[in-house]
Amino acid sequence: AQSVTQLDSQVPVFEEAPVELRCNYSSSVSVYLFWYVQYPNQGLQLLLKYLSGSTLVKGINGFEAEFNKSQTSFHLRKPSVHISDTAEYFCAVSGDNTDKLIFGTGTRLQVFP
Amino acid sequence: DAGVIQSPRHEVTEMGQEVTLRCKPISGHNSLFWYRQTMMRGLELLIYFNNNVPIDDSGMPEDRFSAKMPNASFSTLKIQPSEPRDSAVYFCASSPGTGNTEAFFGQGTRLTVV
Repeated sequence: AQSVTQLDSQVPVFEEAPVELRCNYSSSVSVYLFWYVQYPNQGLQLLLKYLSGSTLVKGINGFEAEFNKSQTSFHLRKPSVHISDTAEYFCAVSGDNTDKLIFGTGTRLQVFP
Repeated sequence: DAGVIQSPRHEVTEMGQEVTLRCKPISGHNSLFWYRQTMMRGLELLIYFNNNVPIDDSGMPEDRFSAKMPNASFSTLKIQPSEPRDSAVYFCASSPGTGNTEAFFGQGTRLTVV
């Protein structure tokens, strides 16, 4: 069975500082990994995804993530955050043999001026 | 395409009443998912369909919950009877139907059972 762990429920950071949101996954098959963002009172939208190939994936709004198979991680990073990045971020996993998309519990990123 | 459309956006109902949430997936998408989001449990997958067939309903909490997909363009999630602990935001999402593609989410239905 697949699962996702987001260890940090909240991450406070000042504007223009770098940020890393952690995600670890568990799967017995090939995985596809995703990061979604949810702004208040809205649905989720895709930030980026890893399917295969280069382990460094770039997404929208200046975010990037690195797939590390040995550490079963897919951490999300941004070198300089903006107030508008304040939102809930979800890591998710699916696999070769299923459409089932399993989400982590989310990390609330709070950017302060 | 207008994206995934859910209705209603907000629903307030009394305990014991039947509640029906509706979803129109993106045209051409083969997979449809229902999720429930709460502060305590986060985002839980309730059920997902592929080509209108329920594939995995292991996340459906109780027999009070049921979901149908009578055709490729419509799905419902029904709660009967509703209870206060069902209060949550319910999301519908659709995807083209393979694991390596993203799911597109609707705006959600905020359900309050009083």
